[in-house]
Amino acid sequence: NAGVTQTPKFQVLKTGQSMTLQCAQDMNHEYMSWYRQDPGMGLRLIHYSVGAGITDQGEVPNGYNVSRSTTEDFPLRLLSAAPSQTSVYFCASSLNRGGGSKEQYFGPGTRLTVT
Amino acid sequence: AQSVSQHNHHVILSEAASLELGCNYSYGGTVNLFWYVQYPGQHLQLLLKYFSGDPLVKGIKGFEAEFIKSKFSFNLRKPSVQWSDTAEYFCAVNSNYQLIWGAGTKLIIKP
Repeated sequence: NAGVTQTPKFQVLKTGQSMTLQCAQDMNHEYMSWYRQDPGMGLRLIHYSVGAGITDQGEVPNGYNVSRSTTEDFPLRLLSAAPSQTSVYFCASSLNRGGGSKEQYFGPGTRLTVT
Repeated sequence: AQSVSQHNHHVILSEAASLELGCNYSYGGTVNLFWYVQYPGQHLQLLLKYFSGDPLVKGIKGFEAEFIKSKFSFNLRKPSVQWSDTAEYFCAVNSNYQLIWGAGTKLIIKP
């Protein structure tokens, strides 16, 4: 199986543009999450989901929306891109609903630059 | 709010040197603890984890970590590093449905 996949790998946006980062997993994991990684700050949780139809906010949710219509997919939408959203975005999944407490499997990341 | 502190942001060692990376957390309850590694150009992968039982846990590639509850610490160790251990290392602790992450330590091994 492919594990956790993310598209695109790289993206450049202009301020104010919107876009969707795609994330999919084929491991039938209930828990999925989005992080952003910034230098010197580790990973910060944006949004997470404990199952289809259920999402919740993490530490830094402002400016981002998510939905979870299927178990496999967990897209992240940037509503109106800002330079502060320049970052590397990682999607992760875990088998159980309590996945935040268990091992998470990460995608390869999307490097986003907002100019 | 819970937090995770990694003491060193950058560590430079020579091959065969011993490694210890510090990690302290603030949560006082039952914890699950993790070390993840990110090799250059690759995504994060699990190095080792502690849920319960023996506080000395062994992970992949010769790494180990010791959970010391009284010190709220989960330090990562390796007796003899290799050039291929050059990577960024992250400590994380659970909090309900979320993992709280340290800022990471960049490890550079000189050949």
